[in-house]
Order: sequence, then structure tokens, then C-alpha cells
Amino acid sequence: DTAVSQTPKYLVTQMGNDKSIKCEQNLGHDTMYWYKQDSKKFLKIMFSYNNKELIINETVPNRFSPKSPDKAHLNLHINSLELGDSAVYFCASSPSQGLYEQYFGPGTRLTVT
Amino acid sequence: RKEVEQDPGPFNVPEGATVAFNCTYSNSASQSFFWYRQDCRKEPKLLMSVYSSGNEDGRFTAQLNRASQYISLLIRDSKLSDSATYLCVVRLYNQGGKLIFGQGTELSVKP
Repeated sequence: DTAVSQTPKYLVTQMGNDKSIKCEQNLGHDTMYWYKQDSKKFLKIMFSYNNKELIINETVPNRFSPKSPDKAHLNLHINSLELGDSAVYFCASSPSQGLYEQYFGPGTRLTVT
Repeated sequence: RKEVEQDPGPFNVPEGATVAFNCTYSNSASQSFFWYRQDCRKEPKLLMSVYSSGNEDGRFTAQLNRASQYISLLIRDSKLSDSATYLCVVRLYNQGGKLIFGQGTELSVKP
């Protein structure tokens, strides 16, 4: 069973479109995260939710909106996609926001043309 | 200045070699330290946590020097399967589990 899953794995879309990426974890964890890995391979946190409550909101354009319908899911919606949004987006989860290992999903490779 | 800086790569080494990766961090509020491994086009996976006393896991040894804000990873007897990117990671105190990643150092082990 996949612990942290993301859909879709690949997403190719045109500038200006709106798209969503979904993440689900079956580990029973309370905390979930979204990270972005750009072309230079830097992984940077975007958002974190703990029990459906937003706890980390980095300096991210407000075109990006996370939604957590329950603590097992954290989705990422992106409006008006731009070329610079092309990256790999990783979802992760941890038992709580404390000193615990974070488990990453397989990533969603987004290409904006 | 980047919050977490690593040796530039790539490191190309023969099988059996010993290789060392260095990392420095700038935020004194850094609380926990890790090495993650990322294979090409895959997700990062925790390799090991790093403790002040130093710790070892098989062929891997991690060291932390809080005074110098420096972290290292030593890999002995390199295997082909060690080829990957190694990410130095710190977690800041009281910031909701936020991880700060270094850019990563690519290791290529050759036969």
C-alpha cells in the first residue's frame, strides 16, 4: 500500500489554466505539507496543515491555494498557471508537527507551456 | 546567503571509495538535522538523523558541530547503489516541522 500518494504524476498544461494536485496519506498522520522542487533542485516548503488547520504558509503567490478536507488529504489548487510554476511538487506527511520524520509522496511533475 | 549550503557536486568516485559531504547552516534556531537521499526523479527519503554526539548507520557516519553550524556525512566503501543526490536538511525550532533543504550534492559511484 502506498503511504503518501499524489495524483496526477505528470501534468502538462498551458499558461493561464487552473489545475489541482491531490495528495492522500494512509498513515494516520496529523500533519501534511506541500513542497516545490524547482529546476535547480531546491526543495522549498509552501504550506503545512495540522489536523486540517493551516500552520505554515510561506511566501507563495496567492494563486496557490491549499485545501484540506480531512487530515488524510491535502490538495493544492493553482490558478492562472505561469511558466515559472513548472516544477515538481511533493506532498509529505508526518505524525504531527513535532520532531518526526516526514514521508514524501512520489511527486507531481508540472509543466506549463 | 542560503540557509543551508552544501558542497557543489557532482562527486564521481570509484566503488569502494570513501566520500565525505559537508554542509553548513546559517540559522541558529536550527533544532534538528538530517541527511535525506533523493534518487533521480524520485521523492526524498530520510537517510539518517544527525545528533550532536555523532551517529553511525552501517557504512554511513553523520557528524554535527553546533558551534560551527556544520554537518557532515561520510560514506565508506561506496556501492554503485549509493549513487544519488544527498540533501542536507535542518528543522527550525518551533516552526511547525518546517524543513529547510540544501541544494543537494550529487554522488555518482562508478564500477
